[in-house]
Amino acid sequence: AAGVIQSPRHLIKEKRETATLKCYPIPRHDTVYWYQQGPGQDPQFLISFYEKMQSDKGSIPDRFSAQQFSDYHSELNMSSLELGDSALYFCASSLMGLAGLQETQYFGPGTRLLVL
Amino acid sequence: DAKTTQPPSMDCAEGRAANLPCNHSTISGNEYVYWYRQIHSQGPQYIIHGLKNNETNEMASLIITEDRKSSTLILPHATLRDTAVYYCIPSGYALNFGKGTSLLVTP
Repeated sequence: AAGVIQSPRHLIKEKRETATLKCYPIPRHDTVYWYQQGPGQDPQFLISFYEKMQSDKGSIPDRFSAQQFSDYHSELNMSSLELGDSALYFCASSLMGLAGLQETQYFGPGTRLLVL
Repeated sequence: DAKTTQPPSMDCAEGRAANLPCNHSTISGNEYVYWYRQIHSQGPQYIIHGLKNNETNEMASLIITEDRKSSTLILPHATLRDTAVYYCIPSGYALNFGKGTSLLVTP
């Protein structure tokens, strides 16, 4: 079965640079979520989109923005990168169920970002 | 969001059943209990979820107490590849991973 695809898998940036992470959800999934996992930390929810609209917001820094496109893929844009942004970034996708509840989230393999 | 309490670590011998407990006493009536696991630095992997009935799939069984304040994930025959951090997450939407249980399966 097709899974969530994330690109790139690895990214190295300098401080103050920008980065764009991409997420391609499972086919037919209409909702995407972004999570950040720092070294030795548990994943933390950043933001989510349903049908191209922001649906929930977690601990996402103001320097980060994200959007979902008409083909449901999503991009996380990170500006003025800081050393502390070095982390694994996971994307997950799900489908809005008939009862208006989100169904199970399935995660991609992640993008490992290193800021030097 | 409901708070969860899981033991920080557990050991299990290969081939034996691994029983991972979770307390979620503040869970809301419409929140499912989801279990995910994360094998070192890989994307979290969905295992199973339930609302109030016990559930079983090809990976595991989930036992939820009648008052829904706790649940137990059962891996019936643990293998070395089941070594991972296991997260119990009451969820209606965004997942709050918490600390999880680090399960070590030993030969």
